[in-house]
Amino acid sequence: GAGVSQSPSNKVTEKGKDVELRCDPISGHTALYWYRQSLGQGLEFLIYFQGNSAPDKSGLPSDRFSAERTGGSVSTLTIQRTQQEDSAVYLCASSMRQGELAGNTIYFGEGSWLTVV
Amino acid sequence: GNSVTQMEGPVTLSEEAFLTINCTYTATGYPSLFWYVQYPGEGLQLLLKATKADDKGSNKGFEATYRKETTSFHLEKGSVQVSDSAVYFCALSEGVNYGGSQGNLIFGKGTKLSVKP
Repeated sequence: GAGVSQSPSNKVTEKGKDVELRCDPISGHTALYWYRQSLGQGLEFLIYFQGNSAPDKSGLPSDRFSAERTGGSVSTLTIQRTQQEDSAVYLCASSMRQGELAGNTIYFGEGSWLTVV
Repeated sequence: GNSVTQMEGPVTLSEEAFLTINCTYTATGYPSLFWYVQYPGEGLQLLLKATKADDKGSNKGFEATYRKETTSFHLEKGSVQVSDSAVYFCALSEGVNYGGSQGNLIFGKGTKLSVKP
């Protein structure tokens, strides 16, 4: 597609259940990012994939959060045993790795709204 | 560590008023600086960016100048419109000037702007 695609756009889940959020990046983009946008907290970096390199997981808030990227394209963010504080908008973004002279822009999807009840 | 601080909102202005949204940063290296905008019901979009000191980013009548001496990147627009109502995020990345991808972005908490007719 033309942009970063995320699904589901909205998800309501019961506390304690697992959820999976999907991201389909822009074709040809080798870098993929997950961010979380919580009310009153701004945007928080979660995890970053770059090509075949080991992902930067430094932003994952707990071991209940994990993400994988299969075949260097689609990514899935999994939250196990969801808690109410996990309620947020989960944003995926992608970019094409380029040299500094060419610049590099991150493109965001519209997000997946997660509500844990 | 790296961080971004931006003025808290909400900011309410009348149409054609002058806008300034302050943003300051803390970084260990030589970051690139960004303003992202999130219109109601839409995903996050890059508004403008600057990759080195004294650069001015501009787009849609908005501009921001990278001030290394004051570690600032304030967003300005001379005459706002109702259609500018959105949440604005200041962000930094240390990736570009280190010869590669953008790496992860560090965001401020966002400033909500409402423009009244």
